[in-house]
Amino acid sequence: GENVEQHPSTLSVQEGDSAVIKCTYSDSASNYFPWYKQELGKRPQLIIDIRSNVGEKKDQRIAVTLNKTAKHFSLHITETQPEDSAVYFCAASSATRFGAGTRLTVKP
Amino acid sequence: DAGITQSPRYKITETGRQVTLMCHQTWSHSYMFWYRQDLGHGLRLIYYSAAADITDKGEVPDGYVVSRSKTENFPLTLESATRSQTSVYFCASSNLDRIYGYTFGSGTRLTVV
Repeated sequence: GENVEQHPSTLSVQEGDSAVIKCTYSDSASNYFPWYKQELGKRPQLIIDIRSNVGEKKDQRIAVTLNKTAKHFSLHITETQPEDSAVYFCAASSATRFGAGTRLTVKP
Repeated sequence: DAGITQSPRYKITETGRQVTLMCHQTWSHSYMFWYRQDLGHGLRLIYYSAAADITDKGEVPDGYVVSRSKTENFPLTLESATRSQTSVYFCASSNLDRIYGYTFGSGTRLTVV
């Protein structure tokens, strides 16, 4: 079955810096890759997604890149702000498996 | 989102008891999912359903039972609760094309004592 690995497990950056979270997947049939943000005590919420026919997608300060050959995709957050602090999860579609999560802390 | 609701929000039950967690969505999404979230393990898929009367096991199905007699409901039953099933349970739904990704309910915090 699908296996999704996410790195790093924790990430601390200064406000204004960029943050990058990477995920790898195993099933080449996966064609949909969402990223979720989960604040403490809240439900995961979709922040951006990408489909396998696209290499990059941007939405204001966040972007996702996909390398199908290498089977990895990454979340990029630029100009980080304290409110970006949360746990971020990636997922791959073939078995709706989620990565283990990255706890991002943005220091003011 | 008000379109997917879980109940109860909190539940304490005793070891060995049967407990059912409810999930209801109003979008007529074809897919519904149950995840459990434990510290350090992220979101693990328990069961999912592609349509009414179609269910499949996920990563961690042991000790759980699901049913889906109607598109909008996807209850999760713990037949004989164990302490290891103490967790936060999230229900999610999506349409076939995942146009809006997977939308999660607010979660049920279950404690088995």
